[in-house]
Order: sequence, then C-alpha cells, then structure tokens
Amino acid sequence: DTAVSQTPKYLVTQMGNDKSIKCEQNLGHDTMYWYKQDSKKFLKIMFSYNNKELIINETVPNRFSPKSPDKAHLNLHINSLELGDSAVYFCASSLRQGGNSPLHFGNGTRLTVT
Amino acid sequence: AQSVTQPDIHITVSEGASLELRCNYSYGATPYLFWYVQSPGQGLQLLLKYFSGDTLVQGIKGFEAEFKRSQSSFNLRKPSVHWSDAAEYFCAVGAGNNDMRFGAGTRLTVKP
Repeated sequence: DTAVSQTPKYLVTQMGNDKSIKCEQNLGHDTMYWYKQDSKKFLKIMFSYNNKELIINETVPNRFSPKSPDKAHLNLHINSLELGDSAVYFCASSLRQGGNSPLHFGNGTRLTVT
Repeated sequence: AQSVTQPDIHITVSEGASLELRCNYSYGATPYLFWYVQSPGQGLQLLLKYFSGDTLVQGIKGFEAEFKRSQSSFNLRKPSVHWSDAAEYFCAVGAGNNDMRFGAGTRLTVKP
C-alpha cells in the first residue's frame, strides 16, 4: 500500500499551459504539504494544509493554487506554466502540524516545461 | 526561523568504509532534528530523528546520529557503507509549529 501517492509521475508540457498534480495519503494524517525540489536538489516548502485549512503559503507565484477537498487529498494546480517551473514537486504528509512531526513523502512529480 | 547547513555537497567513500555526514543547525531553543535519504527517482525517507533524551540516536539501515548542542551539530554516521547507501542525504530541523527546514543535501557516492 502506497502511503503518499501522487500523480502523474512525469509531466511534460509547453509554456502557457495549465496543469494539475494530485496527491493522496492513506495514513490518516492531518497535515499535508507541497515541496519543490530544484535541479540542485534544494527542497523548498510551498504550501501546507492542516485539516483542509491553509497554514503555510510561502512566497509562491499566485499561478500556483493548492486545493484540499478533504484532509487525505491535496492537489496543486499551476496556471500559465513557465520554464522556471520545471522541477520535481513532492507531496508530503505528517501526523500533525508542527516541527516535531516527521514527513512522509510521495515519490515526486517531475515537471518539465518546454 | 530555524535553518540547517550541510557543508559537504558530495562525498565519496569506498564500500565497507565508515561514513560521517555533517549537519549544523541554527535555532535558539532545542530543535527537532531529522535525517532523510533520497534514492534516485524516489521521495525522501526518514532515517532517524532526535527530539530529546539520549543524544545518540539509532535509525534504520544501520545509521546513527549524534546531537551535540555545544557544536549545534547533528552528524550522521554509519560504520560500514554498502553500495546501496549511495543516495542524497538531507538533514532537517523542525521548531515549534514552524514547518521543517531542509539542508541543501549531501550526495553520497560509494566506490566498489
């Protein structure tokens, strides 16, 4: 059973398009996240949701819009894709909000914008 | 806010040799400290964590880490590296209700 699953695994698209990445966790966790990993492997948090409520919204272009229909799902929609959006996007979950709650990661979605 | 530094971008060790990956953190109080491993094409997996108590913590896959408050460090060690340990390793620090902050990662290469 995959604990945190995200789809698709690969996404290749052209500039200007709109795309979505879906994430689901079956761990019963309250908190979910989106992280962006750039080509140098640096991980940066984008958003976090706790029980469907937005908790963290880092300095991310408003072309990125997360949506959490329930606490087991956190989707990421990206409008007007740009070349600089190319990266690996990771969904993660934790039992609860807070720095002492380990993260469980999905396997990532590699987004390539051409 | 807390921050974490991994001074080594890339380390190469021979199979069977010992390993130490460095991690330094910055935070005013006692942090929550973690090590994660990322194999190619995979997400990050938790190796071990430190919250309080015994400063030497054991993790999965034979890894251990030692918290040294005086040096603001949380170095990861393994006595004998296996070829399957080749991966990217991330140190992370959590604090209070803040989100977890990751270091830039250290890429481990294992020579046969």
